[in-house]
Amino acid sequence: SQTIHQWPATLVQPVGSPLSLECTVEGTSNPNLYWYRQAAGRGLQLLFYSVGIGQISSEVPQNLSASRPQDRQFILSSKKLLLSDSGFYLCAWSPEEGNYGYTFGSGTRLTVV
Amino acid sequence: AQTVTQSQPEMSVQEAETVTLSCTYDTSESNYYLFWYKQPPSRQMILVIRQEAYKQQNATENRFSVNFQKAAKSFSLKISDSQLGDTAMYFCAFEYGNKLVFGAGTILRVKS
Repeated sequence: SQTIHQWPATLVQPVGSPLSLECTVEGTSNPNLYWYRQAAGRGLQLLFYSVGIGQISSEVPQNLSASRPQDRQFILSSKKLLLSDSGFYLCAWSPEEGNYGYTFGSGTRLTVV
Repeated sequence: AQTVTQSQPEMSVQEAETVTLSCTYDTSESNYYLFWYKQPPSRQMILVIRQEAYKQQNATENRFSVNFQKAAKSFSLKISDSQLGDTAMYFCAFEYGNKLVFGAGTILRVKS
């Protein structure tokens, strides 16, 4: 069966420090991968998605970037965090053919201080 | 652009009663997929139900069912026999082109 792992669960980082959140999927090949941010317990905003290795699409211009160095690995990064980067970050995957909804990781609560 | 609107920020229901959460969406697509997700206090996103737009039959999953009105672009979720464990944030979502667009969510509180 397929599983998705996301870490860390909680992170407190100072302003101006770098960020690296990692997400891996097991039990499937060529998944579509996604990073979402949820601010203040409300709706989810799509940040990045990837349909293959090295293929990254950005939905919202911001202080973050994403990379997919391996088929089932998706990384969210920042060189210098801002206070506004605080939030709950969710990684998700869907089958290559799509249309079956996403399976989400357990999320990372990021607080920038 | 595809948009999803959930007009009820918060709702409450007594245990064992039925509640309906509203969702409308806007799209020019003819074939798409709609979903309801549940986010309990643990914040884990859980898929509740899925509807294919080209199917007229409303989807059901145990106590959860939808009322899909394609012409009205409406996709409401009905929860029957509400249980305390149904307390969560519920998100309506629209999928097109491998991207999922979410509504702002409805907080549902089930009271004993």
